[in-house]
Amino acid sequence: QVQLQQWGAGLLKPSETLSLTCAVYGGSFSGYYWSWVRQPPGKGLEWIGQINHSGNTNYNPSLKSRVTISVDTSKNQFSLNLRSVTAADTAVYYCARGASSGAMKYWGQGTLVTVSS
Amino acid sequence: QSALTQPASVSGSPGQSITISCTGTSSDVGGYNYVSWYQQHPGKAPKLMIYDVSNRPSGVSNRFSGSKSGNTASLTISGLQAEDEADYYCSSYTSRSTGVFGGGTKLTVL
Repeated sequence: QVQLQQWGAGLLKPSETLSLTCAVYGGSFSGYYWSWVRQPPGKGLEWIGQINHSGNTNYNPSLKSRVTISVDTSKNQFSLNLRSVTAADTAVYYCARGASSGAMKYWGQGTLVTVSS
Repeated sequence: QSALTQPASVSGSPGQSITISCTGTSSDVGGYNYVSWYQQHPGKAPKLMIYDVSNRPSGVSNRFSGSKSGNTASLTISGLQAEDEADYYCSSYTSRSTGVFGGGTKLTVL
């Protein structure tokens, strides 16, 4: 049974860096793409980016200049850093396990991150 | 990259069938057989319902089916049930090796 458990700071001030980590329990860590998706309150899903076990990344072009996704295979964990946040980055952030096609079957519980001065 | 286009809302009565469309471009939906569909109930994480255009993960009801024609993918739900009321999102692989979601469709079961 694959489970993803995520954590990180829920309240940030503008210009700070958002940092979230997702731990993977069960299943193989290699052979998949480890992804981040966010959802502003009352709005739709937005694909942020992904990383594989080798550290190869792909990012949403609209966020690429501020995003870094990293992986720690020794801990079966991957992380999201989003720099210089603004109120527009307020959202529920989800981690997920994706296939090479992008399909995401397993999801974390979500973390609400609020950016407010 | 622009979001895929979905209708904002659809509705149907119990037992009926509905179809949700998802329109992209030749750089995403039309270029690859890598369209996924997700169901999301309020306050919950999305759930994968269809992957690679028309495949169902184990445990997903066969009332859910997917298809694609050109730059438009579709999700059909047959035999509507009250528990199908949710938001539905399509997603596609893109030519930039990224993913993109649709804007979401709210399904109301009348």
